[in-house]
Formats: sequence, C-alpha cells, structure tokens
Amino acid sequence: DSGVTQTPKHLITATGQRVTLRCSPRSGDLSVYWYQQSLDQGLQFLIQYYNGEERAKGNILERFSAQQFPDLHSELNLSSLELGDSALYFCASSVEFGGGSPLHFGNGTRLTVT
Amino acid sequence: AQTVTQSQPEMSVQEAETVTLSCTYDTSENNYYLFWYKQPPSRQMILVIRQEAYKQQNATENRFSVNFQKAAKSFSLKISDSQLGDTAMYFCAFMKRNTGNQFYFGTGTSLTVIP
Repeated sequence: DSGVTQTPKHLITATGQRVTLRCSPRSGDLSVYWYQQSLDQGLQFLIQYYNGEERAKGNILERFSAQQFPDLHSELNLSSLELGDSALYFCASSVEFGGGSPLHFGNGTRLTVT
Repeated sequence: AQTVTQSQPEMSVQEAETVTLSCTYDTSENNYYLFWYKQPPSRQMILVIRQEAYKQQNATENRFSVNFQKAAKSFSLKISDSQLGDTAMYFCAFMKRNTGNQFYFGTGTSLTVIP
C-alpha cells in the first residue's frame, strides 16, 4: 500500500459530462501529481502541485483543471468529456520539493466515457 | 526537455533466468535521479529501484539491480532469478534535481516471465 488514496476507483459517464477525481497524498507528502494513462500507453503528465500551489503543467487540456486544498488533498476536474478521455488517471505524491524523493502512486481512477 | 527512451517494447524471459531492460536518457543536467517503476496487470505503479546520479555505486534491491553508466546516459535494470510475479510493464523515469521534482517517463517495456 503506497499510502496514496484515490477515489473513486471506477467511473462511467457519458460524453459531455463533468467528473471530479479525488486524491489524498501520503501523510507528510506536500507534492501531488496527476497523470493520465490511456490503454496500452505510457504515462502522460498532467499537472503538479506543491503545498497548494501549482508548480508544473504538462499536456493538460483546457477542459481539465485541478487544485490542491489546504489539507493537501487534490481534485482533478474533467469537463465536456469526450470518448478519448477514457483512461486510467493516477495521482502520485512525493515528500519534498527539489529533492530526490520518488513518486508514490495511488491505484488510479479508471474513467470510462460512453 | 529531457527525454527517456526504452527501446524494447516487449521482452520475455524464462522463469529463474536473468533479464536486462534498457533505458537511455538525454539531459544536460549533472544532478538528477533515475527510477524504475513496475506496473503489473493490476495497473498499480510500484517503485522498484532508485539511483542518484552523483553516486557511482549501482543501486540494488534484492533481485533487482541497475547498471548506471552516467557518461553513456544509460540506466538498465537487471532482474535476476525471474519470477512469474515479475510479469509487468516496466517504466524508466528521470527526475531533475531542484526543479520541483518533475518526472519524465519512458514509454515502457512489457516483460513476460514464461513458466
């Protein structure tokens, strides 16, 4: 168990809808990352937060947004969903900024858009 | 931008044998970290091993070890005494030091351990 909690585990929704994915980092971890993994694909970095502030953006669509709250949990909001958004969405956390701490991944949220 | 290349999309190995997965990276940085992650069929991402670039000694974790060649920008993973549970996708990852922990992942190598 990595200590990173993601909810829900599975999500099935229709095109055009909006969903929110939630992540609680490991106790003590200040950095939260979001990744998207489509079927048989690698990991696409979406966005990173550190202690409530956005630190880095990757290939995140404008329809997607995220935030990290004062209690350090994070939410990824996906709107106007398209079939191509179906993927496994990972949250990961690490303890420090600028160090060599590894990422600890949650079990992912599997999103299916129909 | 940093790039991480895993040139072997798929590999297989007989149970109890040794296999080596390759990874190369491109960077102008001198201080960085390298990682191998394992993703079994359950799709969970599991840290396998971590290497600090300023350490010449190769990292080892039980049956897993790396061959880190800094000048060649190579970071291969050796799995000894392969077990069926090693069947997974393996991702190599690069992280620059002091840049907010941005990680760069390779495209992965799918390893199958054959009984």
